[in-house]
Amino acid sequence: DSGVTQTPKHLITATGQRVTLRCSPRSGDLSVYWYQQSLDQGLQFLIQYYNGEERAKGNILERFSAQQFPDLHSELNLSSLELGDSALYFCASSVIPSEGRGETQYFGPGTRLLVL
Amino acid sequence: AQSVAQPEDQVNVAEGNPLTVKCTYSVSGNPYLFWYVQYPNRGLQFLLKYITGDNLVKGSYGFEAEFNKSQTSFHLKKPSALVSDSALYFCAVYNFNKFYFGSGTKLNVKP
Repeated sequence: DSGVTQTPKHLITATGQRVTLRCSPRSGDLSVYWYQQSLDQGLQFLIQYYNGEERAKGNILERFSAQQFPDLHSELNLSSLELGDSALYFCASSVIPSEGRGETQYFGPGTRLLVL
Repeated sequence: AQSVAQPEDQVNVAEGNPLTVKCTYSVSGNPYLFWYVQYPNRGLQFLLKYITGDNLVKGSYGFEAEFNKSQTSFHLKKPSALVSDSALYFCAVYNFNKFYFGSGTKLNVKP
């Protein structure tokens, strides 16, 4: 158990809908990362937050947004969902941002999203 | 562009034999390199990382990896494979504030 929790575990929704995925980092970790894992695209970095501020952006669509709250938990919002958004969404956390140091990330169990 | 390649989708090895899972990278500057393992229906787990120093890095569960700058490789190795090592392995590179993951290699260890 990495100490990172994600809810819900599974989510089934319809195209055009909006969902929110939640992540609680390990105790003491200030940085949160979101990833999308799909069969055709592999593991893709979406976005990183540190202590409430956006720190780095990857291949995140404009329909997706995220935030990190004062208690350090993070939410990933996915809107206008399409079939291709079906994937496993992982959250990871690290003590500090990885800039210049390559901090180890600890991954949550993921949220499996199915868009029908 | 930064990229990570895992040239083998799958590696099959018999229990007790040595295993190697390959990773090559293409980045500018000095990269930080990682290996993660993913068991079915689980998140990724950290195995080891190379930041600087000795080219041979030892990690969890008896795994080690060798950093080769001239070949831009970071292959994962284990002297004696266990059936319980069967999983999906990801190589990752950290560069310019972002992580880049390889496509993953499925390791099958047969009894």
